[in-house]
Amino acid sequence: DTEVTQTPKHLVMGMTNKKSLKCEQHMGHRAMYWYKQKAKKPPELMFVYSYEKLSINESVPSRFSPECPNSSLLNLHLHALQPEDSALYLCASSQVGLETQYFGPGTRLLVL
Amino acid sequence: SQQGEEDPQALSIQEGENATMNCSYKTSINNLQWYRQNSGRGLVHLILIRSNEREKHSGRLRVTLDTSKKSSSLLITASRAADTASYFCATDAYKDSGGSNYKLTFGKGTLLTVNP
Repeated sequence: DTEVTQTPKHLVMGMTNKKSLKCEQHMGHRAMYWYKQKAKKPPELMFVYSYEKLSINESVPSRFSPECPNSSLLNLHLHALQPEDSALYLCASSQVGLETQYFGPGTRLLVL
Repeated sequence: SQQGEEDPQALSIQEGENATMNCSYKTSINNLQWYRQNSGRGLVHLILIRSNEREKHSGRLRVTLDTSKKSSSLLITASRAADTASYFCATDAYKDSGGSNYKLTFGKGTLLTVNP
């Protein structure tokens, strides 16, 4: 299985809502990533988990809260988001120490 | 800050023609990768070239790297309509504090349109 899956595909939420994005992979990768991508822009790294521990936080606002409950799952908890947080959120995974990352199809988030 | 800068920003060609995209970067790198993204979907890894390599091939793809000029090019030969996508270069100069994982920085991308 060489696939990274993300749910949901689309999400619309109000600024007071709490929602979660989910990412799953069964490639045995122990490094997992969250990226944010605005329209017509490149992906920007948000968080990196290595062996289920947070190893990089790119100064992301606390309204985004990542969680890695096990080696296959990565969550991104959302709370009190702003309209400017509307974007495509991409999850990726890789073998620890290797450069090539495998991306999921993304969750398109709209904050109203 | 953006490490990679692609050129051109958009490229439109006819099926069967070759497409060349360029990427420039600013700092020393370990490796440079190229990824493809179909309209608002996930990225797909195409090819990785290491800093001590000058050229690499994979199927219809040819990548060159010139570390003295801090630039790379991606050539797609005999293009097909299915090659229509955005192409990003990504550099991985940095690792996390534990020294384990690479922090990819993506360039702005080239939108390639292949007309049938």
